Amino acid sequence: RKEVEQDPGPFNVPEGATVAFNCTYSNSASQSFFWYRQDCRKEPKLLMSVYSSGNEDGRFTAQLNRASQYISLLIRDSKLSDSATYLCVVNLGNTGKLIFGQGTTLQVKP
Amino acid sequence: DVKVTQSSRYLVKRTGEKVFLECVQDMDHENMFWYRQDPGLGLRLIYFSYDVKMKEKGDIPEGYSVSREKKERFSLILESASTNQTSMYLCASSLFGGGEETQYFGPGTRLLVL
Repeated sequence: RKEVEQDPGPFNVPEGATVAFNCTYSNSASQSFFWYRQDCRKEPKLLMSVYSSGNEDGRFTAQLNRASQYISLLIRDSKLSDSATYLCVVNLGNTGKLIFGQGTTLQVKP
Repeated sequence: DVKVTQSSRYLVKRTGEKVFLECVQDMDHENMFWYRQDPGLGLRLIYFSYDVKMKEKGDIPEGYSVSREKKERFSLILESASTNQTSMYLCASSLFGGGEETQYFGPGTRLLVL
């Protein structure tokens, strides 16, 4: 079983749609959680951290469910510029090492 | 802005050649990482380093070595390149701390081994 699992998609949605991605992680000792965004043929960049209480950044909302060991990312009012691959990322402890999911691809269509 | 640079964007090498990939960061970060990214497999950690002259194996270190002689520079070495090492190689750096640190990535090197 992969340590971090995501549905690779692609998710094809129209502009303005709301879309949600889920991610599950296998190690209950995981301590910190992130979503990274990777544009086509570019490097990954941090989109947002995920906190236990849930957090929001504009149109993006991230939530963590420790009991079920899953993380979600909700994107409201999708824009064409949101088209990218979204990587679910987990840190097992204080090592600085990150475990990456294989990513979920989002394509927003006009 | 944090800047992580990699020595080449594209490389073509022959089987058996020794390959050096260099990564430089300008933010005085303690941690540096080398990943490879392949379709369907995501990013996999090859090696990482917490400090100068220190290195730790990641998940897939076989066929690779690393060198960190200066804090800002982390090199990945393919001692004898093989075709299964054709991949996108990404370097990253982060501050040393409690695990919340953002990793900043370089633009990547696409390596083709013929």
